Amino acid sequence: DIQMTQSPSTLSASVGDRVTITCRASQSISSWLAWYQQKPGKAPKLLIYKASSLESGVPSRFSGRGSGTEFTLTISSLQPDDFATYYCQQYDRYWTFGQGTKVEIK
Amino acid sequence: QVQLVESGGGVVQPGMSLRLSCAASGFTFNYYALHWVRQAPGKGLEWLAVISYDGNNEYYADSVKGRFTISRDNSKNTLYLQMTSLRAEDTAVYFCAKEGSGNPSFDYWGQGTLVTVSS
Repeated sequence: DIQMTQSPSTLSASVGDRVTITCRASQSISSWLAWYQQKPGKAPKLLIYKASSLESGVPSRFSGRGSGTEFTLTISSLQPDDFATYYCQQYDRYWTFGQGTKVEIK
Repeated sequence: QVQLVESGGGVVQPGMSLRLSCAASGFTFNYYALHWVRQAPGKGLEWLAVISYDGNNEYYADSVKGRFTISRDNSKNTLYLQMTSLRAEDTAVYFCAKEGSGNPSFDYWGQGTLVTVSS
């Protein structure tokens, strides 16, 4: 099974900060990686697919990079609506989620 | 617009069975693979199962293999999850999700239905 490890688990930041979340795969997954945002009591929302492709309607302050085993999600200027939990997901072999990164207000 | 609406959750005793449904609308149902994902209280997301667009192929996470069965009725635009031998650790919100076009990430999700396994 492919394991996905996110870091950090929690991130404290302020509005306007540049924020980066890292996701590492236990083996190469090429670019078969997605990022989701989830707010309490809501379903996850797709932000990025195929490591760096922005889902339609997602603000351009979100960006994804990486391939192989190391990936990042960057929010260029954190907005109040961005405080949430973020998950990476591999879909190279079946589907696996990372454990999540909670972005909270500093 | 795409809508996925889960139903069938509730409180069930350990060892019992439950069937969840996910009613879909707003897209060509029989073109897309569909998934079930769950989230235990306060925990992360766990992928459970996938079924191909035509229902001919299914795959499961090890944690539910042999106990859960995914199925679909393309004439009713509905996805199902039959859950048997339920355990306390199956307590979670269960989401259905649709794959994207030519891309197996999940572009639409239902709102989730809560399953509580407790005596």
